[in-house]
Amino acid sequence: GQQVMQIPQYQHVQEGEDFTTYCNSSTTLSNIQWYKQRPGGHPVFLIQLVKSGEVKKQKRLTFQFGEAKKNSSLHITATQTTDVGTYFCAGMDSSYKLIFGSGTRLLVRP
Amino acid sequence: EAQVTQNPRYLITVTGKKLTVTCSQNMNHEYMSWYRQDPGLGLRQIYYSMNVEVTDKGDVPEGYKVSRKEKRNFPLILESPSPNQTSLYFCASSLSGGKLFFGSGTQLSVL
Repeated sequence: GQQVMQIPQYQHVQEGEDFTTYCNSSTTLSNIQWYKQRPGGHPVFLIQLVKSGEVKKQKRLTFQFGEAKKNSSLHITATQTTDVGTYFCAGMDSSYKLIFGSGTRLLVRP
Repeated sequence: EAQVTQNPRYLITVTGKKLTVTCSQNMNHEYMSWYRQDPGLGLRQIYYSMNVEVTDKGDVPEGYKVSRKEKRNFPLILESPSPNQTSLYFCASSLSGGKLFFGSGTQLSVL
């Protein structure tokens, strides 16, 4: 079945350093969504990418969707302690099934 | 306020004792879904519903039941819970194919 692989599993950075998490799908996706889950909280929607090669920015966050619509990345510039949490990608296949990656847990040293 | 409401927030039970986790949304969403979250495994879909009286199995449906008799409610039923169902459960809803709104989660422990 369809899988969405996400790496790394953990990332521990110094405040001010950059952070990137990557997702790869075994099949072509209709769209990809990104969510953030703060410790003890629930996942919260960040963004959805639909077009091949699409790049979207939200302040210090940059989201990319690959040309083949099989991979995606989330890059955070100059991390802050408020960025702490687990970031999930979720790929939607042609049958509108949404498959979550296993998440990347970001820890930020102040 | 637009929200997905799950209850209870925490639940400790014993093996074999039937339980129901309730989920309700006030956004008139057609799509609702249940996920379980386990360390290192991300969010795995248990069941989902595209609309009233329409439910389908997700990736890990064994040991669970759901019903969708009304648009706003989507309860998760564990007829005979077992320890391997100890997990963090999330209900979510969306307009079809759109962003998911998650409930606050239910931490279930089955002893």
